[in-house]
Amino acid sequence: QSVLTQPPSVSGAPGQRVTISCTGSSSNIGAGYDVHWYQQLPGTAPKLLIYGNSNRPSGVPDRFSGSKSGTSASLAITGLQAEDEADYYCQSYDSSLSGPVFGTGTKVTVL
Amino acid sequence: EVQLVESGGGLVQPGRSLRLSCAASGFTFDDYAMHWVRQAPGKGLEWVSGISWNSGSIGYADSVKGRFTISRDNAKNSLYLQMNSLRAEDTALYYCAKDMGGRIVGATTPFDIWGQGTMVTVSS
Repeated sequence: QSVLTQPPSVSGAPGQRVTISCTGSSSNIGAGYDVHWYQQLPGTAPKLLIYGNSNRPSGVPDRFSGSKSGTSASLAITGLQAEDEADYYCQSYDSSLSGPVFGTGTKVTVL
Repeated sequence: EVQLVESGGGLVQPGRSLRLSCAASGFTFDDYAMHWVRQAPGKGLEWVSGISWNSGSIGYADSVKGRFTISRDNAKNSLYLQMNSLRAEDTALYYCAKDMGGRIVGATTPFDIWGQGTMVTVSS
């Protein structure tokens, strides 16, 4: 059972904006640990999308943005494209578990 | 090219053992912590184990503690996972992942490079 909760699915039409929430607690996000986001395209390995709450690795389009507040974090995708259809996972560190933790994952569908 | 290549997966009976390997290339292996992350069929990601750059710090998920052992050989640019007393619930695709930093305790750095995974199926 993951300690970071995400909505199972979100959807949007091409060009729209969608957001994915990641809700934690005082032992992980709320303790000040950074949140990272990964994109997993069908049949492939996860890829780092956002790190340190809001930073994009080289090559990641600026359509993807991240934010963090309190015990939650969010990933926003603006100008949704068909190629964005994938599973998205948040990740942080949990001091009670003494290790990294992943979110439950969110499937993004482009209508 | 930065690359991680896992091997060693397969079909194994419950209670038996398996050793996974991960060969790294394209970066200075002994500068970074490394991890194993697994994904059961149709399920989400689960961190399994991590090891610091110098093997001085090691961590395990509660689900594998006492059964799995992580290790690394910096001279061979390789990461390993010895899995003993395997259970059906260990069935998953096992990914090797590079940490952006060198430590694991209290580390807030992400996993910036992932391998393609090696499948482990535990079944009689």
